[in-house]
Amino acid sequence: GEDVEQSLFLSVREGDSSVINCTYTDSSSTYLYWYKQEPGAGLQLLTYIFSNMDMKQDQRLTVLLNKKDKHLSLRIADTQTGDSAIYFCAESPLGNKLTFGTGTQLKVEL
Amino acid sequence: DVKVTQSSRYLVKRTGEKVFLECVQDMDHENMFWYRQDPGLGLRLIYFSYDVKMKEKGDIPEGYSVSREKKERFSLILESASTNQTSMYLCASSTASRDSQPQHFGDGTRLSIL
Repeated sequence: GEDVEQSLFLSVREGDSSVINCTYTDSSSTYLYWYKQEPGAGLQLLTYIFSNMDMKQDQRLTVLLNKKDKHLSLRIADTQTGDSAIYFCAESPLGNKLTFGTGTQLKVEL
Repeated sequence: DVKVTQSSRYLVKRTGEKVFLECVQDMDHENMFWYRQDPGLGLRLIYFSYDVKMKEKGDIPEGYSVSREKKERFSLILESASTNQTSMYLCASSTASRDSQPQHFGDGTRLSIL
């Protein structure tokens, strides 16, 4: 079945780069997504990548996709305290449904 | 901007009560979803709907039902609430497409069953 895995925690210093990793299982996924959840809030779509792309950059965010290894990563450059949140990756194996990972709690320390 | 509104941010109910969680979206989206979020488990899909009066079971439908009488509104119903249904509930919507489209989320309802 579908399974999306992420590490639970990541801690970085302010100004450093953060890299959040995700592995997925369904090679038929068309799009792969990154969502951000701030405390007490819902999920906010950060970015997504089409499965035939290797990389997508959007300001401080860089998404890398290794389709062979089914590995997705999100790099946040110059991480700020406002980036502290839970980050979810999601794949789209079937139609309009998404399968989410467990989420990675990013803590940014001064 | 897509707006998905959940009727309550916090809700406290008693065991055995019938509980209604309401969700409304304003972008004429065909698809609507209900998830629950628990620490270490991520988001788990309870029910979803691709159209008015349509509903399909997700991964954990037991103990829940849904209603979609109008396109913009998707209700989650706990028929007889139990303490293991204490959780954060998230509603989402998306437009219909052959390819998956991003889902847009509400702010969530934190439900406590005593």
